[in-house]
Amino acid sequence: KQEVTQIPAALSVPEGENLVLNCSFTDSAIYNLQWFRQDPGKGLTSLLLIQSSQREQTSGRLNASLDKSSGRSTLYIAASQPGDSATYLCAVEDGGATNKLIFGTGTLLAVQP
Amino acid sequence: DAGVIQSPRHEVTEMGQEVTLRCKPISGHDYLFWYRQTMMRGLELLIYFNNNVPIDDSGMPEDRFSAKMPNASFSTLKIQPSEPRDSAVYFCASSPWTSGNNEQFFGPGTRLTVL
Repeated sequence: KQEVTQIPAALSVPEGENLVLNCSFTDSAIYNLQWFRQDPGKGLTSLLLIQSSQREQTSGRLNASLDKSSGRSTLYIAASQPGDSATYLCAVEDGGATNKLIFGTGTLLAVQP
Repeated sequence: DAGVIQSPRHEVTEMGQEVTLRCKPISGHDYLFWYRQTMMRGLELLIYFNNNVPIDDSGMPEDRFSAKMPNASFSTLKIQPSEPRDSAVYFCASSPWTSGNNEQFFGPGTRLTVL
């Protein structure tokens, strides 16, 4: 059974720092991996999707990498801003194109001004 | 496009009452998903549809839960009778699932409180 873990559970950094959020999964046979952002009391916003054949995706200050063989993904946020404060969730879609996303428990990020 | 639309945004009801949550997916998306989020269990997939047909309902917790998708632009999740342990945020998401793009887009959620 696929399990997704995110470390750390919470992170507090001063504004301007570069930071890395980690996501690991137990079964490397995934179809894709998706990173989301969730603001308090709000829904999920898709940030980046990495197909299983890809190594990384970039969007603005965000860069996500994927190492399927080791069951790991990282989300790199450059020059963090207070507006980046949110919970970041990674989710994997199991191999076989089942469309079923299995979510990690998230990392709560606080960027201090 | 307005994105995925869910209603109501908040629902407070008493144990034993019927609850109906509604979702309008993004136009043109063939897949629709219902999730539940709680502090204890995180985000869990309840059921998903492809072209209005339920594909996998293995995440539906009990027979008290049912979901329908009568057409491509509307889905409901019903709980009857509701119980306090059903209190959670329920999200609807949709996906186009074209080749190479099965990104899921989430609605704002319905926060359900069962007293």
